[in-house]
Amino acid sequence: QSALTQPASVSGSPGQSITISCTGTSGDVGYYNYVSWYQQHPGKAPKLMIYDVSNRPSGVSDRFSGSKSGSTASLTISGLQAEDEADYYCTSYTSTTTYVLFGGGTKLTVL
Amino acid sequence: QVQLVQSGAEVKEPGASVKVSCKASGYTFTDYFIHWVRQAPGQRLEWIGRITPYNGGTNYAQKFQGRVTMTRDTSISTAYMELSRLISDDTAVYYCATAYTSAWSFDFWGQGTLVTVSS
Repeated sequence: QSALTQPASVSGSPGQSITISCTGTSGDVGYYNYVSWYQQHPGKAPKLMIYDVSNRPSGVSDRFSGSKSGSTASLTISGLQAEDEADYYCTSYTSTTTYVLFGGGTKLTVL
Repeated sequence: QVQLVQSGAEVKEPGASVKVSCKASGYTFTDYFIHWVRQAPGQRLEWIGRITPYNGGTNYAQKFQGRVTMTRDTSISTAYMELSRLISDDTAVYYCATAYTSAWSFDFWGQGTLVTVSS
């Protein structure tokens, strides 16, 4: 597997919750708990939102949460806010010599 | 506070090499991995490799093996990424990032360095 699979886009209204999926294989997401999620606004560097499947770095809102089931990881954003509109990428460590896989990114639109 | 400051934009001809620097501050440089990630225009992020500042050990993605060299200078808390035999597809923003909380997550990022490969 050369990449993780994410939906191209998701949308939601302010106050709602959305979930972004990230599908890998038994050699990456399904085996290792090294799944991370990043938020990227246009022209900016990515920002770590979730690491090791479900941990939030200091300073990240608790509206962001992560989970994993089998080879699919998920990022849930509750109480959507306009500032959440951005691209979101998942990553996972992989057993291959690629070491790290990225998802294709999901564009979140807050309606 | 943790900060990574990268060198400025570069324009290179095909076949040339580019060396990007990443100066760290706000933490003990030798304590955490430095990763390099790139993003071509409109494309997904792509992991290039990492360096262990403590001993200079490196891991490179297979795609870049033989073309990338990562080094560091602990006296000035700076990591370097050199990519050789550049082609147009190497045109991208190159980022350095620390692995502060977990070995395979990227906590703090540099501002990015645009490398343009064009004749």
